[in-house]
Amino acid sequence: GAVVSQHPSWVICKSGTSVKIECRSLDFQATTMFWYRQFPKQSLMLMATSNEGSKATYEQGVEKDKFLINHASLTLSTLTVTSAHPEDSSFYICSARGRGYGYTFGSGTRLTVV
Amino acid sequence: RKEVEQDPGPFNVPEGATVAFNCTYSNSASQSFFWYRQDCRKEPKLLMSVYSSGNEDGRFTAQLNRASQYISLLIRDSKLSDSATYLCVVILTDKLIFGTGTRLQVFP
Repeated sequence: GAVVSQHPSWVICKSGTSVKIECRSLDFQATTMFWYRQFPKQSLMLMATSNEGSKATYEQGVEKDKFLINHASLTLSTLTVTSAHPEDSSFYICSARGRGYGYTFGSGTRLTVV
Repeated sequence: RKEVEQDPGPFNVPEGATVAFNCTYSNSASQSFFWYRQDCRKEPKLLMSVYSSGNEDGRFTAQLNRASQYISLLIRDSKLSDSATYLCVVILTDKLIFGTGTRLQVFP
């Protein structure tokens, strides 16, 4: 079946630094990538949608300059949290969709900003 | 108002019990409907799709009522391994929109 590899699975960083999260589709071409964020005891909130080769579309309230999304190839999308602060600490998860494939989730990245 | 709403629970039930979860969605343009299961600190996993005709998968039965924009999930003969958060999900303009989730704890 379809597999999406997400790295890192967890990361601790200092306030003010940037963190990059990668999602790779291993056996299919991900034409669309969805990025979600989940705070403790809350549901997954869609942050942005990106189509390969195009700029990402951000949901209302999500700062595009803070959460940089790159989807330059059909197998790789990255989310960079720039100048991270403690309030950015959360569980970030990607979901890829490709032609003939449904929504496949990565395993998530737990970010802690100290 | 949230797009997809659920009772957050928790529902604490003994093994063997039957438990029902409900969900309502606000946008009548929602296209497809699912139940996902999420274990602590893990990615959500698809449990089953939901259809107006109702569908069953073993101990799990799901039902959709488009007129009242209501989705349900019934779990029969609960197992300890059913303990998790159950997420109601709709597809709206090709995006998966998640409900707040209902926590289930099955005890011996």
